[in-house]
Amino acid sequence: GNSVTQMEGPVTLSEEAFLTINCTYTATGYPSLFWYVQYPGEGLQLLLKATKADDKGSNKGFEATYRKETTSFHLEKGSVQVSDSAVYFCALSEGDTGNQFYFGTGTSLTVIP
Amino acid sequence: GAGVSQSPRYKVAKRGQDVALRCDPISGHVSLFWYQQALGQGPEFLTYFQNEAQLDKSGLPSDRFFAERPEGSVSTLKIQRTQQEDSAVYLCASSFAGTVKPQHFGDGTRLSIL
Repeated sequence: GNSVTQMEGPVTLSEEAFLTINCTYTATGYPSLFWYVQYPGEGLQLLLKATKADDKGSNKGFEATYRKETTSFHLEKGSVQVSDSAVYFCALSEGDTGNQFYFGTGTSLTVIP
Repeated sequence: GAGVSQSPRYKVAKRGQDVALRCDPISGHVSLFWYQQALGQGPEFLTYFQNEAQLDKSGLPSDRFFAERPEGSVSTLKIQRTQQEDSAVYLCASSFAGTVKPQHFGDGTRLSIL
């Protein structure tokens, strides 16, 4: 079946620190991969996506590379800001044939000044 | 509207009552999805519509859960005879046809069953 496993949080970093949030997946087909972010009291917002192997998604300084050989899609940012404090969800969709997203359990990030 | 709109934002009901949650998708979005998000967990798929057709309801946890989208736009998720385990945030998402395109989420309805 399809599933996503994220590193457990919470994660607390100082401003300007390097961020990595690990995500690995299991899929029956050839999925598309996504990172969503949820700020306090708000809905999920798409952060970035990648639809095929070796694609790199990037947005707002965040990056993630679709690694088929390790079934991973780790989220990274070189220098986090206080405003990056949120919950981050890794998700997969079954490419062209699937009709639902499979989400990880989320990783809470707090950035302190 | 500019985004997916859900109402109400918060709903408190007594165990055994019926509730109805509304979702207004982004105009022109063919696909509409409902998810259930328990506290501290990721969203879990409930059901999917393409226009007015409910193509997948495999995630609905019991026959107390019912969703409709009669005119292919607004959708309603109804929960009958609510139980405490139904307490969660219910998220609606919409997208253009197909699933590779990202889904756009509403802010959710937080349902609390007393």
